[in-house]
Amino acid sequence: DAGVIQSPRHEVTEMGQEVTLRCKPISGHDYLFWYRQTMMRGLELLIYFNNNVPIDDSGMPEDRFSAKMPNASFSTLKIQPSEPRDSAVYFCASRNRDSYTFGSGTRLTVV
Amino acid sequence: RKEVEQDPGPFNVPEGATVAFNCTYSNSASQSFFWYRQDCRKEPKLLMSVYSSGNEDGRFTAQLNRASQYISLLIRDSKLSDSATYLCGSNDYKLSFGAGTTVTVRA
Repeated sequence: DAGVIQSPRHEVTEMGQEVTLRCKPISGHDYLFWYRQTMMRGLELLIYFNNNVPIDDSGMPEDRFSAKMPNASFSTLKIQPSEPRDSAVYFCASRNRDSYTFGSGTRLTVV
Repeated sequence: RKEVEQDPGPFNVPEGATVAFNCTYSNSASQSFFWYRQDCRKEPKLLMSVYSSGNEDGRFTAQLNRASQYISLLIRDSKLSDSATYLCGSNDYKLSFGAGTTVTVRA
């Protein structure tokens, strides 16, 4: 089992550019979560999906953020346009019953 | 009020010491709780699950007090390798985390 796979591992982009983060959950896990981690705010839940359907997006900070899960093996988190305050580590996690597994994260820097 | 609150620490303890810290949660409907360990610049990794009153795994003991809505983690005979940030998670269909407690074990 390869675990939860996220790409890219690091992303540096200029303010105003579109950023797309990718996640491949563990096969068979029916829940997928996107988290953002910063020193100031800790680990925040942005959105989660159940069977590819968005269930709760109340944590998405602004309309600049959007997430999709077109199938059971792929999800994207998009920021358009990006701003310096979006700089953080973005984690994807998938869940089977009560077992949550995190990906290695994408470290995003917006300059 | 955040769903999960933790003492941020840091807890700086000598090798071999016992260290314990708490986490409080606000959602009384939460059914399960977790302690995750996070090393610097790494992803959180599951340390322990807590479903009933508590759980023990080697040197690690987690206690759940539903009446007071807190979970504790105790580390006995601490090792240098226990140095990390410990995240408390409260699960009610989605996993909400505290900000983490930093533990540093010194030689």
